[in-house]
Amino acid sequence: QKEVEQNSGPLSVPEGAIASLNCTYSDRGSQSFFWYRQYSGKSPELIMSIYSNGDKEDGRFTAQLNKASQYVSLLIRDSQPSDSATYLCAVNNGEAYKLSFGAGTTVTVRA
Amino acid sequence: NAGVTQTPKFQVLKTGQSMTLQCAQDMNHNSMYWYRQDPGMGLRLIYYSASEGTTDKGEVPNGYNVSRLNKREFSLRLESAAPSQTSVYFCASSEAGSSGIREQYFGPGTRLTVT
Repeated sequence: QKEVEQNSGPLSVPEGAIASLNCTYSDRGSQSFFWYRQYSGKSPELIMSIYSNGDKEDGRFTAQLNKASQYVSLLIRDSQPSDSATYLCAVNNGEAYKLSFGAGTTVTVRA
Repeated sequence: NAGVTQTPKFQVLKTGQSMTLQCAQDMNHNSMYWYRQDPGMGLRLIYYSASEGTTDKGEVPNGYNVSRLNKREFSLRLESAAPSQTSVYFCASSEAGSSGIREQYFGPGTRLTVT
């Protein structure tokens, strides 16, 4: 079982809709959770971090964490064509300095 | 601030050749990392340096060596390149401390092809 799993997609959503991305992780000791956006041919860019259960909102992005169910999700509201990218979920399992990354979910926002 | 910079951006090597990938950060971060990214595999940690003067193996260290030259710079060396090392290499840095990990910030990457 992979440490961090994401739906590979692609996820296609119409402009203005909500894109919902899910991520599950295997280690119950995980403490820190991150979402990165990666455009084709570019490097990962941090968009959200979340450390405690519940929701965290930043602009059009909302991260949701449920440690009991071992999942973290990302909602993108009012999706724009510029949101078309691959979204990487990253988890720290408590081992200092190490992040485990999912393979990413590719999102396409169609105009 | 430039953030995290990497050189070169692109490189083609023949099997058996050696090279060093350079990384520097100007965010005064203590911790630095080297990852490789392959299609469908996600990012995999090669080596990391928790602080100046220390380095440790990550998930896929075989075939690589690293040097933490100072607080700003962290280099990755391929001593004898193999086609399996064809990949995109990313350097990252963070303020991670021993009690947990904080956000990592990535450089632009080096696209390496080994023929």
